[in-house]
Amino acid sequence: NAGVMQNPRHLVRRRGQEARLRCSPMKGHSHVYWYRQLPEEGLKFMVYLQKENIIDESGMPKERFSAEFPKEGPSILRIQQVVRGDSAAYFCASSPGQIQETQYFGPGTRLLVL
Amino acid sequence: DQQVKQNSPSLSVQEGRISILNCDYTNSMFDYFLWYKKYPAEGPTFLISISSIKDKNEDGRFTVFLNKSAKHLSLHIVPSQPGDSAVYFCAASADNAGNNRKLIWGLGTSLAVNP
Repeated sequence: NAGVMQNPRHLVRRRGQEARLRCSPMKGHSHVYWYRQLPEEGLKFMVYLQKENIIDESGMPKERFSAEFPKEGPSILRIQQVVRGDSAAYFCASSPGQIQETQYFGPGTRLLVL
Repeated sequence: DQQVKQNSPSLSVQEGRISILNCDYTNSMFDYFLWYKKYPAEGPTFLISISSIKDKNEDGRFTVFLNKSAKHLSLHIVPSQPGDSAVYFCAASADNAGNNRKLIWGLGTSLAVNP
């Protein structure tokens, strides 16, 4: 049973480009969470999605960031017009439900903005 | 405002001894607590959790203690092994409106177990 998959593992973008990060949850999991870890900081919640629905996006920056979890395919975190401050590790987690369910994490995507 | 605090950024322990990692929280609505371990360049790995209806949960060498009145929990690892060297994160969640359970994380404690 494969764990949470994230790709790419490393992504380099120049300022102003778009970054698309993909997350495939564990089999049977319908809840996806995105977290960001800036250098020297802990993980910060960004967004919580179920299939085709955004449940909580309170941690998402108001501009340039968007997330989706379509009926078919992986969850996508999109960052438009990236800036150097977007450089971070982005982790995706999934759970089967959300009532006191443990979240299982992918290996992360390390985004570097030049 | 840091709702989950891990006040020790690092801890060094001798192999075979006990490692105690501490975590404090401020939100009395938290009712589920988790510990994750993270190696460099990898995602966090779930270790152990505890519900607020319990004060102790044990899994092999790992035991988590919860003191609700003090809003404090701790992770005990005994005996400590060099492979336990990693960053340990404490996380907490509450049953918010609509049953949204996002995890609130501490900043982590880096544990080094010396042979």
